[in-house]
Amino acid sequence: GQQLNQSPQSMFIQEGEDVSMNCTSSSIFNTWLWYKQDPGEGPVLLIALYKAGELTSNGRLTAQFGITRKDSFLNISASIPSDVGIYFCAGQVTGANNLFFGTGTRLTVIP
Amino acid sequence: NAGVMQNPRHLVRRRGQEARLRCSPMKGHSHVYWYRQLPEEGLKFMVYLQKENIIDESGMPKERFSAEFPKEGPSILRIQQVVRGDSAAYFCASSPWGPPGKEQYFGPGTRLTVT
Repeated sequence: GQQLNQSPQSMFIQEGEDVSMNCTSSSIFNTWLWYKQDPGEGPVLLIALYKAGELTSNGRLTAQFGITRKDSFLNISASIPSDVGIYFCAGQVTGANNLFFGTGTRLTVIP
Repeated sequence: NAGVMQNPRHLVRRRGQEARLRCSPMKGHSHVYWYRQLPEEGLKFMVYLQKENIIDESGMPKERFSAEFPKEGPSILRIQQVVRGDSAAYFCASSPWGPPGKEQYFGPGTRLTVT
């Protein structure tokens, strides 16, 4: 299957700091999605990207679809305690029916 | 609008028993996907179904696992003769159209524990 490398694996930050995480793939993707998963819950879609170079914001979250179509990043500005959770990137390859998920970035926000 | 619903949320089975996991997609969604998540890992695709049809089961183990999405009622993921390695969280997602990539919504998952 497709390999999605997500980094960093975990982050410990102070409340109010900005956060940046990224995802790289071994193949060209035509869609990048970012999800957040809270303990014991399913992933919740945060941002969807459909075009190379696209930059999209959702409140304090900003994500970009890399020009090479093999990477994406997610930024969170002015982090708050409720940002705690695991963030997953996911992508779709042309012709595939499913999403491929990264290994996740576990975010801890220290008040 | 109710989201994707899954039940049970937690399921404990002894080795050799059968597990049935149910998923009701969001209203108006006719495409259902099942994923499995092992601890500390990302989600791995298992199967993609539309009403009454299995479209892609390339991620499903060849034995003991089956899935259906009948004309009426929820989608069912069935695991026969469960083994300890089947212990995982199983998530269902739905979308109003396929293939995925746009607006794929996940349920809360079923945590299966095999003892």
